[in-house]
Amino acid sequence: ETGVTQSPTHLIKTRGQQVTLRCSSQSGHNTVSWYQQALGQGPQFIFQYYREEENGRGNFPPRFSGLQFPNYSSELNVNALELDDSALYLCASSLVTAANEQFFGPGTRLTVL
Amino acid sequence: DQQVKQNSPSLSVQEGRISILNCDYTNSMFDYFLWYKKYPAEGPTFLISISSIKDKNEDGRFTVFLNKSAKHLSLHIVPSQPGDSAVYFCAASGTGGGNKLTFGTGTQLKVEL
Repeated sequence: ETGVTQSPTHLIKTRGQQVTLRCSSQSGHNTVSWYQQALGQGPQFIFQYYREEENGRGNFPPRFSGLQFPNYSSELNVNALELDDSALYLCASSLVTAANEQFFGPGTRLTVL
Repeated sequence: DQQVKQNSPSLSVQEGRISILNCDYTNSMFDYFLWYKKYPAEGPTFLISISSIKDKNEDGRFTVFLNKSAKHLSLHIVPSQPGDSAVYFCAASGTGGGNKLTFGTGTQLKVEL
């Protein structure tokens, strides 16, 4: 059974740029959630995707957007990067029937300069 | 507004003794609670969960207790082992919140020899 994978591991961008982060779900999981973890904080929910549609969103501006593909993999896109977007971005997958029990990938560390 | 609070940023315990990690929540709509463990450079790993219809759930060395009237839960690890040294996050989800998890800020557990 393959776990959740994310790419890239690390990324450095400058303010105003755009970034795309990628996630492959654990085998058999059909729901993907994205979280932002700032330094010293717990993960904060960005949004969740099920059947290629957004299925819930946290308190993040529209410049944070996502996609889910037919194979359940997912992308997180962030436009017009700001310094405060520097964080660890975590992807988690789950079954829609057990969506509370989410399994996390190792994360992508984004630094915005 | 921090709906899930872990008031102890760190905890140090001797090997073989009991570790008790605490978590408080304010949202009465939360009905499912989880504990995750996180090592550096890895994503959070699911440990144990509890539904609000129960007050205790056990899995090996890990036991979670839920006190709904106090809006408090705790994770007991016994006996503690050096490999348990990690950051522990409490998370909650509930009716009306979709399937998003709301996390606390984490407690760094150090198990000393």
